[in-house]
Amino acid sequence: QVQLVESGGGMVQPGRSLRLSCAASGFRFSSYGMHWVRQAPGKGLEWVAVIAYDASKKYYADSVKGRFTISRDDSKNTLHLQMDSLGADDTAVYYCAKERLVGINMESYFDNWGQGTLVTVSS
Amino acid sequence: DIQMTQSPSSLSASVGDRVTVTCRASQAINNYLAWYQQKPGKVPKLLIYAVSTLQSGVPSRFSGSGSGTVFTLTISSLQPEDVATYYCQKYNSAPWTFGQGTKVEVK
Repeated sequence: QVQLVESGGGMVQPGRSLRLSCAASGFRFSSYGMHWVRQAPGKGLEWVAVIAYDASKKYYADSVKGRFTISRDDSKNTLHLQMDSLGADDTAVYYCAKERLVGINMESYFDNWGQGTLVTVSS
Repeated sequence: DIQMTQSPSSLSASVGDRVTVTCRASQAINNYLAWYQQKPGKVPKLLIYAVSTLQSGVPSRFSGSGSGTVFTLTISSLQPEDVATYYCQKYNSAPWTFGQGTKVEVK
């Protein structure tokens, strides 16, 4: 069965960096695009970033563009999110999610989610 | 960017009631519309995709409908285990925007 396990969360000071990872198993990781979604405490879901199955396309939410970088290591079945210049508004649980691709332009919904990792940005 | 607006933000209904949640897109999304359920303290779970197709294992009391810019999630007979926040999401193109969520409670 599909398993997604996030790691790398924790408490970090404003302006610092953090790198999240998502270890995938139970499916052919290199064949699927992957997303990051976050949820601030008590708030709704916010899509953060996506990377295509072959890393040829990457898209970001405006709120993180230029600060966050999504990447993947297919040799290790792992997804990453490099987060730089962190601010208080980045405090959230970060989920990785596997896509189910339904179109040629990356039309995809999320059929499996990890348990999430909490990032707290505070001085 | 296309905005997704859900209504109501919260509702309370009795066990057995029919419950409807509405999701409106600011532009047409070609039926690339999904619904997710997030129970308290849990991970979001895919309920419905392509407006009305139930994900495997989802009870048949859940249904989705709509087209163009207005979509609905219906629970035909609310059960205690349906207490959750429900999110719609567009997935036709970046950004993959979610609605703000509808919290469903049982009276």
